[in-house]
Amino acid sequence: KAGVTQTPRYLIKTRGQQVTLSCSPISGHRSVSWYQQTPGQGLQFLFEYFSETQRNKGNFPGRFSGRQFSNSRSEMNVSTLELGDSALYLCASRVGVSGANVLTFGAGSRLTVL
Amino acid sequence: AQSVAQPEDQVNVAEGNPLTVKCTYSVSGNPYLFWYVQYPNRGLQFLLKYITGDNLVKGSYGFEAEFNKSQTSFHLKKPSALVSDSALYFCAVTPEDNQGGKLIFGQGTELSVKP
Repeated sequence: KAGVTQTPRYLIKTRGQQVTLSCSPISGHRSVSWYQQTPGQGLQFLFEYFSETQRNKGNFPGRFSGRQFSNSRSEMNVSTLELGDSALYLCASRVGVSGANVLTFGAGSRLTVL
Repeated sequence: AQSVAQPEDQVNVAEGNPLTVKCTYSVSGNPYLFWYVQYPNRGLQFLLKYITGDNLVKGSYGFEAEFNKSQTSFHLKKPSALVSDSALYFCAVTPEDNQGGKLIFGQGTELSVKP
């Protein structure tokens, strides 16, 4: 069974640009969550989607957005990039929305903003 | 505020010795608790979880964790450490509304196992 696939794995952008990251969940998983990982702030929740609807959102500015498609694939977008947006962005999927459902993470997309 | 604390940034253990990675949490109600491990340039891998029932939970790769409600702790343990266990370990908890998609993570503990 294929795992969670994130693309691209690495990317470099400059301040002011925008970026789109993609996540393909495990087949049959309908919930997708996104996290930002940085050395200073650790792992922080961005948002969660289920059945194309955003269920939860973390404390990030409106420059961070996401969406989910009918096949459960998800994308997140960051507009007007800032240096502080440099991070590893992790996507995780799970089969449902019960708190007991385990998140399965992808390898991440490492974004560097220059 | 809801939070998870991993008081040790780094834990050093000799191979073959038991290891403990500590975690305490501050979330009211009956949260679900998780441990994940991260290897360099990789995402997080699930190790084990506590939902309800027996306070001692067994997970992958010989790891186990003990849930203590009175101390609000969920320490990760392994009887005999391997060099290959060296990695970054994260404790996580569901928030008060039990929305499992938005886990609250600790800052992580770097485990180093020396031969």
